[in-house]
Amino acid sequence: ETGVTQSPTHLIKTRGQQVTLRCSSQSGHNTVSWYQQALGQGPQFIFQYYREEENGRGNFPPRFSGLQFPNYSSELNVNALELDDSALYLCASSLGGEATYEQYFGPGTRLTVT
Amino acid sequence: AQSVTQLDSQVPVFEEAPVELRCNYSSSVSVYLFWYVQYPNQGLQLLLKYLSGSTLVESINGFEAEFNKSQTSFHLRKPSVHISDTAEYFCAVTYTGTASKLTFGTGTRLQVTL
Repeated sequence: ETGVTQSPTHLIKTRGQQVTLRCSSQSGHNTVSWYQQALGQGPQFIFQYYREEENGRGNFPPRFSGLQFPNYSSELNVNALELDDSALYLCASSLGGEATYEQYFGPGTRLTVT
Repeated sequence: AQSVTQLDSQVPVFEEAPVELRCNYSSSVSVYLFWYVQYPNQGLQLLLKYLSGSTLVESINGFEAEFNKSQTSFHLRKPSVHISDTAEYFCAVTYTGTASKLTFGTGTRLQVTL
């Protein structure tokens, strides 16, 4: 059974650019959640996708957008990058969108904005 | 709104000593509670969770946590720590009956030394 994978591992971008981060969910999981973890902080919920539809969103501006594909993999897109977007971006997959389902986290993508 | 407070940012402890990592949450509704562990340069791993039933929950590697509704706490304990327990520990909460949006605390760095 393959776990949650994310790509790329590390990324360096310039302020104002756009970035796309990718996540492959664990086999059999139809739900993907994205979190932003700034240095020294706990992860913060960005949004969740359940069966290709957005199923909840945290307090992030619209320049953070996402997508889930029919195979339940997902992308996180961030436009007009700002310095404060530098963080570890974590993807988590689960069997369903409800709170009782355990979330399995990937290793993350480290984004640095200069 | 949900919030999680982890009172200690760092907890140094000697190997084989007991440890308690504190977590308090604020919520006006029923919650699910989780402890996650993060090793350096890795994603989050679920350590244990409280959904319902017995207020004392245990992990396979000797950690336990007790849900205390009156004190809105979910402290993590281990009677004897090992060097390999050195990691960042995050407490998280989510509402019952809703999408699995996890709200995390800021984390506690457990540093085990000889």
